[in-house]
Amino acid sequence: EAGVTQSPTHLIKTRGQQATLRCSPISGHTSVYWYQQALGLGLQFLLWYDEGEERNRGNFPPRFSGRQFPNYSSELNVNALELEDSALYLCASSLALVSSGSNEQFFGPGTRLTVL
Amino acid sequence: AQSVSQHNHHVILSEAASLELGCNYSYGGTVNLFWYVQYPGQHLQLLLKYFSGDPLVKGIKGFEAEFIKSKFSFNLRKPSVQWSDTAEYFCAVSPTSGGSYIPTFGRGTSLIVHP
Repeated sequence: EAGVTQSPTHLIKTRGQQATLRCSPISGHTSVYWYQQALGLGLQFLLWYDEGEERNRGNFPPRFSGRQFPNYSSELNVNALELEDSALYLCASSLALVSSGSNEQFFGPGTRLTVL
Repeated sequence: AQSVSQHNHHVILSEAASLELGCNYSYGGTVNLFWYVQYPGQHLQLLLKYFSGDPLVKGIKGFEAEFIKSKFSFNLRKPSVQWSDTAEYFCAVSPTSGGSYIPTFGRGTSLIVHP
């Protein structure tokens, strides 16, 4: 069974540009989560999509946005890039939203974004 | 909102030493608890999880964790570490009610095991 895939592996941009990161979840998973992993800060939650809808977002400015497509893949867009956006961006997927919150997340390898 | 605290940011051990990594959380309701591991050059993977039942849970590679509800803790343990356990370890907590089931992660603990 294929795991969560992310592309590109590395992305280098300059300040002010826009970045688009992509994620394909495990087959059968409808929820996709995006996290930012900056050095020494652990994983900071960015966005959660389920069944094509944005369900929750973390404490990030509106220039971080995304969407989920009908095939459950997802895009994360970061506009007006700033130097501090340099980080590893992780995507995770899980089975359908359940009331217990017992969703085990499966992570992709991440996209390393460097802003110069 | 919940928060997770991992007390040890960096741990250095020799092979065969015992390991205990601390994890405390703050949240008033019931939670699911996770430990994830990130080996060098690999992606994050689940080590073990607690949803309900026996508070002592066993995971892969000889790891175990104990949920102590009264202390809001979920410490990770391994009796004898190996060089291959060198990795970054993350504790995560997810509420089971209230509408937001997003796990909150701790800042991680970097473990280095010397051969």
